[in-house]
Amino acid sequence: EPEVTQTPSHQVTQMGQEVILRCVPISNHLYFYWYRQILGQKVEFLVSFYNNEISEKSEIFDDQFSVERPDGSNFTLKIRSTKLEDSAMYFCASSEKSGRYNEQFFGPGTRLTVL
Amino acid sequence: GESVGLHLPTLSVQEGDNSIINCAYSNSASDYFIWYKQESGKGPQFIIDIRSNMDKRQGQRVTVLLNKTVKHLSLQIAATQPGDSAVYFCAENGDQGGKLIFGQGTELSVKP
Repeated sequence: EPEVTQTPSHQVTQMGQEVILRCVPISNHLYFYWYRQILGQKVEFLVSFYNNEISEKSEIFDDQFSVERPDGSNFTLKIRSTKLEDSAMYFCASSEKSGRYNEQFFGPGTRLTVL
Repeated sequence: GESVGLHLPTLSVQEGDNSIINCAYSNSASDYFIWYKQESGKGPQFIIDIRSNMDKRQGQRVTVLLNKTVKHLSLQIAATQPGDSAVYFCAENGDQGGKLIFGQGTELSVKP
């Protein structure tokens, strides 16, 4: 069964450093998302991406965040200068179609720890 | 504003019993809801969804009920098994772009 994969599973970094979280969405999917989950809290939307453009972003997704689809398979989330409060699980998701009635498939997540 | 909330943070049930997980939402315009299951160390996994033109939808051992009058939905799991132990989230997809708004989550523990 096709699945979304994410690397690394755990990333430890120093405050102020740049990190890149990587995702490989399901191959025929065209819509991509990043969510984050701070420990013990709910999953929060960060950004949606389609056709090499950001479709929507949340207030969390400030100038320190960027997304990119560098090739035909990868989808990345970059945090330019990490802060302690960026420590969280980051989930990538993809869907075949957009819109409110289409299932999003989630990856296993990357645990980011900022020291 | 956007808000999807859950009544209880934890629920403990005996194996074989039925489980009911509740969720309240605040946006009357919400018309599509999804239940996700998140096992430890994994991403959310789709369980079942329901649109506002329905009151009830059934899947394999799961039923979702939607009460639009009181803005409440519930997930019922029949004959709960140890493999059902997880955190369950309700989510609202009220945006044309597909953004999901998650509730706080209920941790279900199944006792053997």
